[in-house]
Amino acid sequence: NAGVTQTPKFQVLKTGQSMTLQCAQDMNHEYMSWYRQDPGMGLRLIHYSVGAGITDQGEVPNGYNVSRSTTEDFPLRLLSAAPSQTSVYFCASSYEEWNTEAFFGQGTRLTVV
Amino acid sequence: GENVEQHPSTLSVQEGDSAVIKCTYSDSASNYFPWYKQELGKGPQLIIDIRSNVGEKKDQRIAVTLNKTAKHFSLHITETQPEDSAVYFCAAMGSGYSTLTFGKGTMLLVS
Repeated sequence: NAGVTQTPKFQVLKTGQSMTLQCAQDMNHEYMSWYRQDPGMGLRLIHYSVGAGITDQGEVPNGYNVSRSTTEDFPLRLLSAAPSQTSVYFCASSYEEWNTEAFFGQGTRLTVV
Repeated sequence: GENVEQHPSTLSVQEGDSAVIKCTYSDSASNYFPWYKQELGKGPQLIIDIRSNVGEKKDQRIAVTLNKTAKHFSLHITETQPEDSAVYFCAAMGSGYSTLTFGKGTMLLVS
């Protein structure tokens, strides 16, 4: 049972480039989300999904797109990378609503130069 | 939306001492309060949680207390060990949407 898998683990982008951060879970969880973690800022919600075909914005959605075509996958797209998007990104999933345990991936460390 | 404040930002204790981390929340309708531990280079992992119909919950050396009237909850770690060194996050689930709001984290150092 792999849990929540994020790829890549590390990425360096140039300003203006686009890329997709991958997230997959094998626990048949309906709820998935993306957070970014910055020093002194904790975990801030970017986008979340309550099931396949349903997504919504979190606290800091600007510059990011998501889609949820399957239960298993929830990719995060950076449309035009900016230095302000340098951060560690975490994907999480939960079986039901967020009042049950959220399982986090190992994170993707992204640097935009 | 929900706002969660967490204190202190860093906490240093001697091995064997107790550690207490405190959080306050703003939404009186919040009903779920988990605590996550994040070790270096890893994702956060749930260590204990409490729901609004319970005032205290214990799991071995870890306990969480909740005061709904004051809108604050705390994590208590007794007999701290070096492996307790990590960043701890509190969180709260507010009303109206299905998401967690996290505090900014506490770096606990046990030496």
